[in-house]
Amino acid sequence: DTEVTQTPKHLVMGMTNKKSLKCEQHMGHRAMYWYKQKAKKPPELMFVYSYEKLSINESVPSRFSPECPNSSLLNLHLHALQPEDSALYLCASSQGKSMNTEAFFGQGTRLTVV
Amino acid sequence: AQSVTQLDSHVSVSEGTPVLLRCNYSSSYSPSLFWYVQHPNKGLQLLLKYTSAATLVKGINGFEAEFKKSETSFHLTKPSAHMSDAAEYFCVVSDSGTASKLTFGTGTRLQVTL
Repeated sequence: DTEVTQTPKHLVMGMTNKKSLKCEQHMGHRAMYWYKQKAKKPPELMFVYSYEKLSINESVPSRFSPECPNSSLLNLHLHALQPEDSALYLCASSQGKSMNTEAFFGQGTRLTVV
Repeated sequence: AQSVTQLDSHVSVSEGTPVLLRCNYSSSYSPSLFWYVQHPNKGLQLLLKYTSAATLVKGINGFEAEFKKSETSFHLTKPSAHMSDAAEYFCVVSDSGTASKLTFGTGTRLQVTL
């Protein structure tokens, strides 16, 4: 199984809503990532988890709250988002933090904030 | 610091003709280099990777890339384009010694015409 599964595929939420994005992998990877991708732009790193601990936070606003309940799951909790947060959110995983290991990406969650 | 420059934002080829997508990198260390493809509204799929083994790397779907240290290049090629190759392509670099933090190029949109 070389898949990273993200749910939901599409999400529309109001600025006062609370929602969560989910990501799951069963490849035994110990590093997991959240990326944000705006239209016609490359993905931008948001968070890195290594061995279920937050390793990198790229100065992401606190309205985005990541969580790694176990080595297979990664969540992104959303609260009080702004319309400019509308984007494709990609989850990825890799064997570890070190180089020489490629990242496997999920299909993404298309988020629209209204 | 690491960086990636994709020299063409848009490339158009006819079906059956060769594909060349150009990528130059800058890295303080011995880098790992990757090419990812993204079809519309989809996640990223790894095409191939270079990790200091053979300089000519073969990937999926007939793509290959050659690592040229003297030219700091990692161009992606395919002998014969297929309609299904139309997508966005990202060249990505990861430095040695850093956390698994990928630096993406700005992407090249490949258009394939009949």
